[in-house]
Amino acid sequence: AQSVTQLDSHVSVSEGTPVLLRCNYSSSYSPSLFWYVQHPNKGLQLLLKYTSAATLVKGINGFEAEFKKSETSFHLTKPSAHMSDAAEYFCVVSVGTGRRALTFGSGTRLQVQP
Amino acid sequence: DAMVIQNPRYQVTQFGKPVTLSCSQTLNHNVMYWYQQKSSQAPKLLFHYYDKDFNNEADTPDNFQSRRPNTSFCFLDIRSPGLGDAAMYLCATSRVRSRDSNQPQHFGDGTRLSIL
Repeated sequence: AQSVTQLDSHVSVSEGTPVLLRCNYSSSYSPSLFWYVQHPNKGLQLLLKYTSAATLVKGINGFEAEFKKSETSFHLTKPSAHMSDAAEYFCVVSVGTGRRALTFGSGTRLQVQP
Repeated sequence: DAMVIQNPRYQVTQFGKPVTLSCSQTLNHNVMYWYQQKSSQAPKLLFHYYDKDFNNEADTPDNFQSRRPNTSFCFLDIRSPGLGDAAMYLCATSRVRSRDSNQPQHFGDGTRLSIL
């Protein structure tokens, strides 16, 4: 079985300061890991994905995440927050090949203060 | 741009009155998914189509049905909506080959369903 835990339900940062959204996963096999962002009343947009290539993954809008197998973590970071980054972020894990379903974390709401 | 389009964006229906939500895609993806997302929760998978092969999740109520008449379109039918079915419904697609590692899913903007 696989699972994913997002350690913070809410994170608040000031504009221009770093962002850290934490995610830990549990999987019996090598997982694929994703981060999605959801703005209010919108669908989910893929930020980045890890699929067993480089452990440091760069995504869109300046976000990146590092896969650490020893810590079973896949934390999302950004050096400098923008107001437009305020949204809900989901860490997602999937195991195996083919059409297996995604397992979502519970989400982290990022607030960016001016 | 290739995309996933959901119509309508907002839908209001009456308790017990059947409603259909639609999803179309220009990505030519072989798999289409329907998710239910309630306020402040993660999306919950209802079912998916792998080509024409329908796959229901074990805990999806019988009240929820789906149709996929062709590659581009997929519909979600709720036969007798209850107050608990008020939610955002998200359609997603992906291109999957059986031996591939998991490919990301591409989401539409959703339909927000309200029940009166």
